[in-house]
Amino acid sequence: EVQLVESGGGLVQPGGSLRLSCAASGFTFSSYEMNWVRQAPGKGLEWVSYISSSGSTIYYADSVKGRFTISRDNAKNSLYLQMNSLRAEDTAVYYCARVSRDGYKIDYFDYWGQGTLVTVSS
Amino acid sequence: SSELTQDPAVSVALGQTVRITCQGDSLRSYYASWYQQKPGQAPVLVIYGKNNRPSGIPDRFSGSSSGNTASLTITGAQAEDEADYYCNSRDSSGNHLGVFGGGTKLTVL
Repeated sequence: EVQLVESGGGLVQPGGSLRLSCAASGFTFSSYEMNWVRQAPGKGLEWVSYISSSGSTIYYADSVKGRFTISRDNAKNSLYLQMNSLRAEDTAVYYCARVSRDGYKIDYFDYWGQGTLVTVSS
Repeated sequence: SSELTQDPAVSVALGQTVRITCQGDSLRSYYASWYQQKPGQAPVLVIYGKNNRPSGIPDRFSGSSSGNTASLTITGAQAEDEADYYCNSRDSSGNHLGVFGGGTKLTVL
């Protein structure tokens, strides 16, 4: 059974840092691209960051570029999001999501974790 | 990045058919995927590709696409289908699934 379990959320002051983790199990983690997606309270889904299966290709949303760093440890079946210089607008539930592909130009998030809440407030 | 536009809210009578749409330039080149999210829960994939359903998703959910518009259709809506629905596709760079629609709140009357 595929499982993605996020951890590391919590309350942090503006300007602070937090590191999120996503523990993967039930599949060959090193074969899959991964993403972080967030959802502010009462708002829609917002893509945050992407990392390729090897970790060699990374993308960020403009809203987090230069402040957040995505990484992965395939030996530990884990995905990370280092969040620095946090702002109130970063308050959200953060989900890790696996990408699957089914032919050319067909890709989608097939599994999601349960999410971890990050609250940025003084 | 690019944008995907959804109607904020749609309602349907129990047992009737409802279509939820998603518009965006990237949909001319890439397929949309659709996610159902109920309060307090993580999103769940319901449709991907041309019209594919993951295992466990009822066949009353279907997808289609024309031009810059992707659609999710629920034929014979059930009370348990009341949820938020989000479309997603690759962004304008085509490199990753970087754009979500704003979401559609579906109410089953």
